[in-house]
Amino acid sequence: DTEVTQTPKHLVMGMTNKKSLKCEQHMGHRAMYWYKQKAKKPPELMFVYSYEKLSINESVPSRFSPECPNSSLLNLHLHALQPEDSALYLCASSQDLVTNTGELFFGEGSRLTVL
Amino acid sequence: GDSVTQMEGPVTLSEEAFLTINCTYTATGYPSLFWYVQYPGEGLQLLLKATKADDKGSNKGFEATYRKETTSFHLEKGSVQVSDSAVYFCALTTKTSYDKVIFGPGTSLSVIP
Repeated sequence: DTEVTQTPKHLVMGMTNKKSLKCEQHMGHRAMYWYKQKAKKPPELMFVYSYEKLSINESVPSRFSPECPNSSLLNLHLHALQPEDSALYLCASSQDLVTNTGELFFGEGSRLTVL
Repeated sequence: GDSVTQMEGPVTLSEEAFLTINCTYTATGYPSLFWYVQYPGEGLQLLLKATKADDKGSNKGFEATYRKETTSFHLEKGSVQVSDSAVYFCALTTKTSYDKVIFGPGTSLSVIP
């Protein structure tokens, strides 16, 4: 059982839609991450929140907008996506900065299809 | 920059066969090394880790030893099961990786009965 919960598990959206992905963890972790994963590839880092502040943005297009309402929740707002944005979006958390703790806890992911 | 190289596969083995997945790294300083596993339809989960040279990480019958002299962290298991079918990612962090985990390309393993 994963302790990082992501919703929805599957999402289909058109290029003009606005939707959000949600992530929740109750482990008291202080860092949360969004990754994008294409089939048979490693996860690619998108954003890192550390103590509820955005600490890393890996030059992600503005059609992806992260939000961290509190230390347990992480959202990814989606708007005007392109078909090439179709992927598995993974949320992860770590007890502290992963450089210090070394371990990421992943959710099961939200599989996004953009038509 | 820091990087991880691993055999990409796919690797197909019969049940009870011996498994080795090679992983080598390039990093400044002294990295911590990890193996993550991703089962079909799931997120990644940490399989094992080692934080200093000559450390051996182990879990669920899998082992890997941090070899600084060869900059390697090869994953081994003596007898694989069908349930081990998954994608395995070698990864590292360093004090200068700015809170990023550097993943290798992943190795897909299929175990057939």
